[in-house]
Amino acid sequence: AQSVAQPEDQVNVAEGNPLTVKCTYSVSGNPYLFWYVQYPNRGLQFLLKYITGDNLVKGSYGFEAEFNKSQTSFHLKKPSALVSDSALYFCAVRDSSGGYQKVTFGTGTKLQVIP
Amino acid sequence: NAGVTQTPKFQVLKTGQSMTLQCAQDMNHEYMSWYRQDPGMGLRLIHYSVGAGITDQGEVPNGYNVSRSTTEDFPLRLLSAAPSQTSVYFCASSYDGTSGGHYEQYFGPGTRLTVT
Repeated sequence: AQSVAQPEDQVNVAEGNPLTVKCTYSVSGNPYLFWYVQYPNRGLQFLLKYITGDNLVKGSYGFEAEFNKSQTSFHLKKPSALVSDSALYFCAVRDSSGGYQKVTFGTGTKLQVIP
Repeated sequence: NAGVTQTPKFQVLKTGQSMTLQCAQDMNHEYMSWYRQDPGMGLRLIHYSVGAGITDQGEVPNGYNVSRSTTEDFPLRLLSAAPSQTSVYFCASSYDGTSGGHYEQYFGPGTRLTVT
């Protein structure tokens, strides 16, 4: 069975500092990996994805993530945090083999950017 | 495009009542899913569909039914509501484009359900 671990319930970072939100995954085949953001009382919004190709992927709002196959990780990063980045972040994985496969989400990490 | 729409936004039910949560998408996406979101548990998959007439169970299907008669609509039915079904419900759609395009899910705004 596939799974996603987001080991930190909350990450606090000062505005202007770099941020990292961690994600590790387990899947039997090759993974499709995703990051989503959720603002209060809203649905999830797609940030970025790794499907194939370059291990470093860039997404919306200056976020990026690096796919590390040996460490089965897909950490979300941003060089300089903004107060408006404060939100709930979800990592998700899907097995790429055999047609459509179910998506599994992590439990989420609350990012708090302190002015 | 309206994207993914969900109705109602809020609902209060008494234990034992039934209801249908509506979900529609206008992007001609083949895949649709229902999730529930509970504090500390992330999103858990209830049911999903890979096309009209084809549905399958997710991680937490008990107490819920789905059908998909058209590409656009994917309603979720609560058969006999229980307090354990108090949650926020999200519908999502996606498709697998060629040449590495897409695959990500588009989410509706959610339905907040309380069962008393």
